[in-house]
Amino acid sequence: AQSVTQLGSHVSVSEGALVLLRCNYSSSVPPYLFWYVQYPNQGLQLLLKYTSAATLVKGINGFEAEFKKSETSFHLTKPSAHMSDAAEYFCAVNAGNMLTFGGGTRLMVKP
Amino acid sequence: KAGVTQTPRYLIKTRGQQVTLSCSPISGHRSVSWYQQTPGQGLQFLFEYFSETQRNKGNFPGRFSGRQFSNSRSEMNVSTLELGDSALYLCASSLGTGRITDTQYFGPGTRLTVL
Repeated sequence: AQSVTQLGSHVSVSEGALVLLRCNYSSSVPPYLFWYVQYPNQGLQLLLKYTSAATLVKGINGFEAEFKKSETSFHLTKPSAHMSDAAEYFCAVNAGNMLTFGGGTRLMVKP
Repeated sequence: KAGVTQTPRYLIKTRGQQVTLSCSPISGHRSVSWYQQTPGQGLQFLFEYFSETQRNKGNFPGRFSGRQFSNSRSEMNVSTLELGDSALYLCASSLGTGRITDTQYFGPGTRLTVL
């Protein structure tokens, strides 16, 4: 079964610092991976998705993720954190009309 | 294009009652999936409907059921509510092609509290 693991349930960065949220996948076939963001009391918003067209994927709000097959990773990055980035981030894999999610990483941004 | 809508946004019920949640997908989307989100278990897949048929089902008891109408709108029902059913219930819609590249778009969720 396909699965994803997010290392670090909480990440704290200073405003303007690099954001790095980690996601590793377990799949015997090429995975289709997604990053979603959830702001307090809201649903999930799609940040970006990997569908094998390119290993570096750019998403909304300045986020991007790089698919590395050799490391089975799909880490999410943003060069400079903004206060508005404070939210919970979820990595997910599509296992055939069903998303399997990682445990989530709560990002805190300090002024 | 309007996004996924869910009603109601908040619900408070007591143990033993039943509840029905509603989801309207993005126009043109034929697949609707439901997820339960709790602090302890995270995001878990409940079931997926496509063309009024349940196509996939997660590992939840039979108290959780759903249906889909001809206009792709979906409802989920939870009977004999338990305290542990308190959660955010999220609905997601997609084109429903069946390909794993199909992207799911989520609604704002229904917050269910069971007292």
